[in-house]
Amino acid sequence: SQELEQSPQSLIVQEGKNLTINCTSSKTLYGLYWYKQKYGEGLIFLMMLQKGGEEKSHEKITAKLDEKKQQSSLHITASQPSHAGIYLCGADPYNNNDMRFGAGTRLTVKP
Amino acid sequence: NAGVMQNPRHLVRRRGQEARLRCSPMKGHSHVYWYRQLPEEGLKFMVYLQKENIIDESGMPKERFSAEFPKEGPSILRIQQVVRGDSAAYFCASSPKQGGLGETQYFGPGTRLLVL
Repeated sequence: SQELEQSPQSLIVQEGKNLTINCTSSKTLYGLYWYKQKYGEGLIFLMMLQKGGEEKSHEKITAKLDEKKQQSSLHITASQPSHAGIYLCGADPYNNNDMRFGAGTRLTVKP
Repeated sequence: NAGVMQNPRHLVRRRGQEARLRCSPMKGHSHVYWYRQLPEEGLKFMVYLQKENIIDESGMPKERFSAEFPKEGPSILRIQQVVRGDSAAYFCASSPKQGGLGETQYFGPGTRLLVL
């Protein structure tokens, strides 16, 4: 089965700092999703990447799928307290609707 | 366009009772997925349904758990004779077409089940 490993598990940054979260797959990724989960709330879709080398941005959040398509990185520029939450990467490795998720990265932004 | 709706948001049950969780997909979405998030663990797929059909229930426990998505009305995840280990957040997602490549699943806010 496809394993998605996220790093770091948790991250504490000062407001205004940049940060990067990584998601590494044990298998080739044919599509990768990034979601954000606020503490105690649901999942918010951020973006989806399909092609190796693809890069997408949403406000101050940028995600990229590497050329070999086994790793994705999520980069936040000039972090704000509103960025705090748990970031999850997900993939549907067999294209059968059984989406697998990483364990998540818990981000805290100190004002 | 309202998002995926789940109710109740919080549910408390005593051991042995039944829990019924409801999910209304986004308008125009006919595919529903249920996930469970245990405390301090990641999201785990449970079941995938289309209207009136269970497509994949490979992630759902064989006993006590059932799901349906009737022609009319919300999708229901039913847990009979709940045990403490069922305490978790249950998330529903929907998509307009079959999921997988290129088809985003949109998640509801979740139902937090606490079994006393």
